[in-house]
Amino acid sequence: KAGVTQTPRYLIKTRGQQVTLSCSPISGHRSVSWYQQTPGQGLQFLFEYFSETQRNKGNFPGRFSGRQFSNSRSEMNVSTLELGDSALYLCASNVGNTGELFFGEGSRLTVL
Amino acid sequence: GENVEQHPSTLSVQEGDSAVIKCTYSDSASNYFPWYKQELGKGPQLIIDIRSNVGEKKDQRIAVTLNKTAKHFSLHITETQPEDSAVYFCAATNQAGTALIFGKGTTLSVSS
Repeated sequence: KAGVTQTPRYLIKTRGQQVTLSCSPISGHRSVSWYQQTPGQGLQFLFEYFSETQRNKGNFPGRFSGRQFSNSRSEMNVSTLELGDSALYLCASNVGNTGELFFGEGSRLTVL
Repeated sequence: GENVEQHPSTLSVQEGDSAVIKCTYSDSASNYFPWYKQELGKGPQLIIDIRSNVGEKKDQRIAVTLNKTAKHFSLHITETQPEDSAVYFCAATNQAGTALIFGKGTTLSVSS
């Protein structure tokens, strides 16, 4: 069974640009969550989607957005990038209940 | 908002010793408490979890305890080995039960 796949794995952007990250969940999983990981801050919750609907959102500015498609694949977008957006962005999938999250290896974003 | 505090941030032990990591959570509605291990360059992986109707759970060298009254839960690793060296995260469900809120992580180093 294939795991959670995130693309791209690494990317470099400059301030002011925007970026789109993609996540393909485990087959059959309908929930996708996104987390931002930075040194010292741990994993901070961005948002969670279930069956194309955002069920929950963390405390991030509106520059951070996401969506989920009918095949459960998800994308997140960050507009007007700032230096502080440099981080590892992790996607996790779940069948949709309160249970184990399966994480991908992340997309490492560097903003110059 | 929901918050999970994790201590210590770093922990160094000798091979064969025990390691204990402690977490506290703020939302009394939280009912699921997983622990994740993250190795360098990889996404976090679930190592053990506990639900609110259970006080303790053990899986070989790893155990988790939960004190709902005090809103504390702890990870215990016995007979530590060098391959236990990693970053460990605790987490608790948010009030809606649709997201996991993570602690900031503990870097465990096991020296031989």
